[in-house]
Amino acid sequence: GNSVTQMEGPVTLSEEAFLTINCTYTATGYPSLFWYVQYPGEGLQLLLKATKADDKGSNKGFEATYRKETTSFHLEKGSVQVSDSAVYFCALSEQAAGNKLTFGGGTRVLVKP
Amino acid sequence: GAVVSQHPSWVICKSGTSVKIECRSLDFQATTMFWYRQFPKQSLMLMATSNEGSKATYEQGVEKDKFLINHASLTLSTLTVTSAHPEDSSFYICSALPPQGARETQYFGPGTRLLVL
Repeated sequence: GNSVTQMEGPVTLSEEAFLTINCTYTATGYPSLFWYVQYPGEGLQLLLKATKADDKGSNKGFEATYRKETTSFHLEKGSVQVSDSAVYFCALSEQAAGNKLTFGGGTRVLVKP
Repeated sequence: GAVVSQHPSWVICKSGTSVKIECRSLDFQATTMFWYRQFPKQSLMLMATSNEGSKATYEQGVEKDKFLINHASLTLSTLTVTSAHPEDSSFYICSALPPQGARETQYFGPGTRLLVL
């Protein structure tokens, strides 16, 4: 079945540092890939997505590129802010699986001023 | 953006009792809502898909008699954990799908933490 693996946190950074959160996946077909973010006390929100190989999703300074050859979808941001402190979830969905979302375990990011 | 609320945000109950968790979409009508469960340091696992006016569809391995889902209106779905036991302690998250929305655009509630003593 489908699965998503992402690096465990917490990841602690200083403001303006570069952030990378690794995400790799296993799927039987050609999934769509997503990053969700959960700010403290709030529900998950879709951050960005990519629907086919080599697509780059971007939003709020975050980027992730769909790499089919390495089955990866790493999340990056060049200069983080304190407000980026949150839990980040990598996820996939596949039409053959009824478009159900399969999530990774989440990575907590803490940005210190 | 759209808001989905859950109530309560946390609950402690005794073993053998039942607990009801509410999920409301506050500014849109949702014909479809989802219920997830998350164990510590693990991913969200889909438990069931709730469709307004019909029976919920449960994922493999989820006991439908244990986790009762009712989606009686377009803005409210409830999850009742019946005869709760300590192993049911977990973080329960709901989400609501806006009309004609793709599945990835579902709006998530903030979650309910259940502790069964």
